[in-house]
Amino acid sequence: GAGVSQSPSNKVTEKGKDVELRCDPISGHTALYWYRQSLGQGLEFLIYFQGNSAPDKSGLPSDRFSAERTGGSVSTLTIQRTQQEDSAVYLCASSLSATGRANVLTFGAGSRLTVL
Amino acid sequence: AQSVTQLGSHVSVSEGALVLLRCNYSSSVPPYLFWYVQYPNQGLQLLLKYTSAATLVKGINGFEAEFKKSETSFHLTKPSAHMSDAAEYFCAVSDKSGANNLFFGTGTRLTVIP
Repeated sequence: GAGVSQSPSNKVTEKGKDVELRCDPISGHTALYWYRQSLGQGLEFLIYFQGNSAPDKSGLPSDRFSAERTGGSVSTLTIQRTQQEDSAVYLCASSLSATGRANVLTFGAGSRLTVL
Repeated sequence: AQSVTQLGSHVSVSEGALVLLRCNYSSSVPPYLFWYVQYPNQGLQLLLKYTSAATLVKGINGFEAEFKKSETSFHLTKPSAHMSDAAEYFCAVSDKSGANNLFFGTGTRLTVIP
C-alpha cells in the first residue's frame, strides 16, 4: 500500500483480556518495527523484524507481549492478560531494510489501546 | 548504548519567532541522527536526518539541524515559527549494531502562540 496501515485505530478492552493489533507495512519494505508511546513518554522500542531473520525482541516488556510477522508482510502484536499500564499508542513502522543505518522509518498512525 | 536527551518537554514560541528544540545524544559509534515530527492524531514523519555527510542538515518545512560533535548535540531550528508547526518533535539516534533500530527521545511539544 501507499503507507503503513494499522488497525484498529482505537481499542478499549477490559483488564485481563487479550488484544491483537495489526500492522500492514509498505509493500517491498523488509523491515518492520513496533514501538509503544505512553502518555508523557517517548517512543519505546518493542520489537523488529528483518526479512527471514529471527526478530529482535529485546524491547518487549514482559512475556505477555508477543509479535509475529507472516509471509514477511503483515505483523500482529499480541498482548495477553492486558493490564492498565499497557494503555498506550502502539506504533508500527517499516523500512526498506534494517541493515542500513540511514534507512528511514515510515510510521503508521498507531493503535490507541485503553485498558479499563 | 545509544540514547538521546531532549531538553524541555514543552516549548512555546510566538508566531514568527525562532524555534529551537534541543537534542543531545550519547553514542559509542559515529551516530546517525534523526528528527521526526508528529502532528495531532497522525503518525511520525521524518523531518531530516544526519548521516555523516554535511553537518548542517536541511529538512522539510524550513527546519534544519546542525550536528556538533564537540557538544554531542543535534538541535533543531527554524528561523520563523508558523502556526502549522505546532506538533510534537522527536529526536532519534540509530542503533550501534548496524541495524536500523532507532532510539527516541521523550519528545518536545511545540506550541505556537499567535
